[in-house]
Amino acid sequence: AQKVTQAQTEISVVEKEDVTLDCVYETRDTTYYLFWYKQPPSGELVFLIRRNSFDEQNEISGRYSWNFQKSTSSFNFTITASQVVDSAVYFCALSGGMDSSYKLIFGSGTRLLVRP
Amino acid sequence: NAGVTQTPKFRILKIGQSMTLQCAQDMNHNYMYWYRQDPGMGLKLIYYSVGAGITDKGEVPNGYNVSRSTTEDFPLRLELAAPSQTSVYFCASYSGDTYNEQFFGPGTRLTVL
Repeated sequence: AQKVTQAQTEISVVEKEDVTLDCVYETRDTTYYLFWYKQPPSGELVFLIRRNSFDEQNEISGRYSWNFQKSTSSFNFTITASQVVDSAVYFCALSGGMDSSYKLIFGSGTRLLVRP
Repeated sequence: NAGVTQTPKFRILKIGQSMTLQCAQDMNHNYMYWYRQDPGMGLKLIYYSVGAGITDKGEVPNGYNVSRSTTEDFPLRLELAAPSQTSVYFCASYSGDTYNEQFFGPGTRLTVL
């Protein structure tokens, strides 16, 4: 069975602090895809990143960076110098490569509050 | 492109009423999905479709029905609304190209009283 665990229910930081959101996944597929989505208070889902299981390179996009480690089945997300606008719920999701439906399995989300 | 559109944005139903949540996409995507998001939780898959005329159950299909007569539309039907169906419903579509992401609609917030 496939599963995504986001153990951090809520994180509160002060602006400009760095913060890491953890994501641990379970899958038996050798090919799979991992995603991060942001859900701001307005409620929509904003796509942040997609990573396939063959690409273990870390990725940086501005203040955002992602650390993918197959050895620990983790795909962690770090925000550097956090800002109030980063306050949102962040979801990690998994899509199995052997599943031709490409459906997403979501974690329960981490609510990030960035205080001024 | 409008992307994925959902109507209505909000709805309040009484127990036992029925309604259809509309979802449409203009990206010619074959794959479409319905997810629900309960308060403080992640999204769970209700139903999905891999093409017109083909639908299948997801993780939480009970109390819902779907149809996919065209590539563009994927309506979700609630026949006998129950308080347990109070949730935010998201429709998504996907091209099938593994280099792309699923595109989500803005969501429908449904309350059953």
